[in-house]
Amino acid sequence: KAGVTQTPRYLIKTRGQQVTLSCSPISGHRSVSWYQQTPGQGLQFLFEYFSETQRNKGNFPGRFSGRQFSNSRSEMNVSTLELGDSALYLCASSLERSGAGTPLHFGNGTRLTVT
Amino acid sequence: KQEVTQIPAALSVPEGENLVLNCSFTDSAIYNLQWFRQDPGKGLTSLLLIQSSQREQTSGRLNASLDKSSGRSTLYIAASQPGDSATYLCAVETGANSKLTFGKGITLSVRP
Repeated sequence: KAGVTQTPRYLIKTRGQQVTLSCSPISGHRSVSWYQQTPGQGLQFLFEYFSETQRNKGNFPGRFSGRQFSNSRSEMNVSTLELGDSALYLCASSLERSGAGTPLHFGNGTRLTVT
Repeated sequence: KQEVTQIPAALSVPEGENLVLNCSFTDSAIYNLQWFRQDPGKGLTSLLLIQSSQREQTSGRLNASLDKSSGRSTLYIAASQPGDSATYLCAVETGANSKLTFGKGITLSVRP
C-alpha cells in the first residue's frame, strides 16, 4: 500500500509570492491534516480536513488555507509568503477524523524556503 | 491549553543499553497519546498509539506506557542499536476539537 505522498519535496519562493503544496493520502484514508515544522516552534497544527470539510484549524493567519477533494487528496496554499514561512510542511492521513483513535501516517514533507 | 514537554532534548547512549524517553503533558483529559520517530529530512513514522483507556502498548523492542493522572508517558527501548538513532516525538490528542499537540522531541544517538 502506498504511503502518504507529498509534492513537491523542495520549493524555493520569494517573499510576496504564493505557493500550493499537494498531499495524497493513503488509499482509503479520509482525514488529512497539515503541520508546519520549524526548529524553533517544533510541529504546529495547521488544519484538518475530513470528507472535503475543514474540521479543525490551528492558530495560523488567513494566508494559510487548504482544501480537500472528493478523492481525499488535499492541497495547502500559502499566500503573500513571508521569510518566517520557511519550514517543513508535513501532511498526515488517517482512516478516520481526529478523536477516533486511529493513528496518523505522515508523508516526507515539502521543504519550503522563502528568500 | 495543552502543553507537551520532552526532556532532555538530546541523549547519547552506547549500543546495547536499555533506555527510557519521557513525555509529560499538562491536561490529562486526552483521547490518546502517540509516539513517533523522525529521521533527518523525513516525515514522522508512527511507533505506538495508546488510547486513553490503555496503560501500555508494545511493539518489538519498544514499549510505551501511559499514566494519565500524572500526565506522563514513557517510551522504553530495549537493547538499543545504532539504527535507533533518530528524533522521538510524543503527541497527545485533546479537547473538543481533537487537536494533536506535539512535544519538541528527543534526539537520540546510539553509539556503536
